[in-house]
Amino acid sequence: AQSVTQLVSHVSVSEGTPVLLRCNYSSSYSPSLFWYVQHPNKGLQLLLKYTSAATLVKGINGFEAEFKKSETSFHLTKPSAHMSDAAEYFCVVSDGGGSYIPTFGRGTSLIVHP
Amino acid sequence: GAGVSQSPRYKVAKRGQDVALRCDPISGHVSLFWYQQALGQGPEFLTYFQNEAQLDKSGLPSDRFFAERPEGSVSTLKIQRTQQEDSAVYLCASSLSDSLYNEQFFGPGTRLTVL
Repeated sequence: AQSVTQLVSHVSVSEGTPVLLRCNYSSSYSPSLFWYVQHPNKGLQLLLKYTSAATLVKGINGFEAEFKKSETSFHLTKPSAHMSDAAEYFCVVSDGGGSYIPTFGRGTSLIVHP
Repeated sequence: GAGVSQSPRYKVAKRGQDVALRCDPISGHVSLFWYQQALGQGPEFLTYFQNEAQLDKSGLPSDRFFAERPEGSVSTLKIQRTQQEDSAVYLCASSLSDSLYNEQFFGPGTRLTVL
């Protein structure tokens, strides 16, 4: 069985300050992990993915995430927030386990203040 | 090229009506997924196709929900006798293959409101 937890539903930062969005997962297998972003009235877009290669993954728009097996975490970070980063962010786990069905977290809304 | 498209973008139905939601995946994509996204929640899996074969429909909430992809491209999600609890955004996604490493490309969704 697989699951993903995004405990915090909203994160508020000032423009130019670092971003940290937390994600913890549970998996019976070696998981693949993804972060997707959803801007208002737009489709979900892949930010980055971890697929058992390098544990530090770099994505689009300056985002990166680090896979930490010992902590079962895959937190998303960015050194400096832009106004355009304001959106909903979803952590996703897919562990194979006989199927390819991904499980989404509930999402974290990133609010960026000028 | 074009991304995943869905139609209609918005649908209002009276309780008890049948609705059909269409998804046009990216050409050549083997896998197609349907998700239901309730307000303030993440997408929840409904069903999955590999070409025309429906390999998993474990997420369909009731037998009122039916999906098909008869020629392995366009897919339709049908909901019969709609109920208020069916109100949600229905997302379609496609990917190049069935590998769990592959990125899914999402459509903009259809927002269904059942009155």
